[in-house]
Amino acid sequence: DGGITQSPKYLFRKEGQNVTLSCEQNLNHDAMYWYRQDPGQGLRLIYYSQIVNDFQKGDIAEGYSVSREKKESFPLTVTSAQKNPTAFYLCASSSQGRYEQYFGPGTRLTVT
Amino acid sequence: GENVEQHPSTLSVQEGDSAVIKCTYSDSASNYFPWYKQELGKRPQLIIDIRSNVGEKKDQRIAVTLNKTAKHFSLHITETQPEDSAVYFCAATTSAGTASKLTFGTGTRLQVTL
Repeated sequence: DGGITQSPKYLFRKEGQNVTLSCEQNLNHDAMYWYRQDPGQGLRLIYYSQIVNDFQKGDIAEGYSVSREKKESFPLTVTSAQKNPTAFYLCASSSQGRYEQYFGPGTRLTVT
Repeated sequence: GENVEQHPSTLSVQEGDSAVIKCTYSDSASNYFPWYKQELGKRPQLIIDIRSNVGEKKDQRIAVTLNKTAKHFSLHITETQPEDSAVYFCAATTSAGTASKLTFGTGTRLQVTL
C-alpha cells in the first residue's frame, strides 16, 4: 500500500467551493476506488473505476465526480452539491483478478 | 445490495486475553471477506481475508472463520497485545472481475489494557 499516495493530507475549504482530491498509484493496479469515512461509521463507496476512461457510481455518489484519464490517477472532485462534505476520504486500488484492496493514507477534508 | 452488520462496537480486553469480533452479511452470493485494522488517523490495513470456499484461515495470532449457511464470519485475536488496540472493520463483496465492491461493517474499537 506504500505505492498509493493521496494529497493533501489536510484540506480546508469554504462552503460552496468545489475541491479536488488527488490519488496516485504506482502499483500498476487496474481498479481504483474512493471511499468516505465518517466518525463511528464504516467506509462507504463513492465511485470506482475498473479501467481507464471508465468508472461507476458507488453507494453515495451524489455530489461527487471522478475521472480516470490515466491508469495511475483517479482524482475525486467534491462539488458544492455535496450536502455534508466534511469527512476523511480514502482512495484504494486493486490488481486485476484479485479482491484485495490497498488504501492510501487519506485526505481529511473540512468544509466550513 | 449487500448489508454488513458488525458487533460489538467497542471491546475491551486485558492483555493476553482473546478477542472476538463478529459480522453478518445479507447477500448469499458474497464470496470474499476481508478484515482491516485502522489505527487512529491512519489508513486501513488488510490483516486477513477469507474466500467463500474456505471455512477457516489462520495467520499467527489472528484467525477468521466463515459460516456460509448462517452468513456470518468472525475475527479471532489470541494473546492480545497493546499494539492490537485499533478499530477493526469487516467487509464483504459479491463482485467478480476487475473491481471488487466492498461493503464495510461499522467497525469495532478494540482496546487492550495492561
